[in-house]
Amino acid sequence: KAGVTQTPRYLIKTRGQQVTLSCSPISGHRSVSWYQQTPGQGLQFLFEYFSETQRNKGNFPGRFSGRQFSNSRSEMNVSTLELGDSALYLCASSLDPSGGYNEQFFGPGTRLTVL
Amino acid sequence: AQSVTQLGSHVSVSEGALVLLRCNYSSSVPPYLFWYVQYPNQGLQLLLKYTTGATLVKGINGFEAEFKKSETSFHLTKPSAHMSDAAEYFCAVSDRGNQGGKLIFGQGTELSVKP
Repeated sequence: KAGVTQTPRYLIKTRGQQVTLSCSPISGHRSVSWYQQTPGQGLQFLFEYFSETQRNKGNFPGRFSGRQFSNSRSEMNVSTLELGDSALYLCASSLDPSGGYNEQFFGPGTRLTVL
Repeated sequence: AQSVTQLGSHVSVSEGALVLLRCNYSSSVPPYLFWYVQYPNQGLQLLLKYTTGATLVKGINGFEAEFKKSETSFHLTKPSAHMSDAAEYFCAVSDRGNQGGKLIFGQGTELSVKP
């Protein structure tokens, strides 16, 4: 079974631009979560989507947004990029049976550099 | 708010020595607990998890962790370090009752293994 895929793997943008990152979950997984990883702040939760609805949200400004499609693929968008948005953006997918916890599987990440 | 503390941002051991990476969580209600490993330029891989039941959890690559409610700890151990264990390790928690995908991570511990 193919793992979580993220595209592109590397991206360079300039301040003020916007960017869209894509995540394809493992087949059959319905939940997709996004995380930002930086040397200073570590791994921080951005948001989670399930059945095309945002179910959880972290403490990030409104410039960070996302969506999920009917096939569970997800995109996240960052508008008006700032230098501090340079980070590794990780996507994770999981099944979502009712009740209990289900494991999150992570993709390789998209490395975003803002100049 | 839930938080995770990993004691020691860098740990260095000799090959064959015991590996001990420390993790403490803040919640009064025991959360779901996880250890992830990240190799350079890769995503996160789950080593092990505690959700319920036996408090000593065995994971992949010879790692294990023990959940101690009285100490709010979930330390990761491996009896004998191997060069291939050099990586960054993250402890993470998820609140029980939280539907799926919101993990809160510690700051990470970089493990170095000396020959």
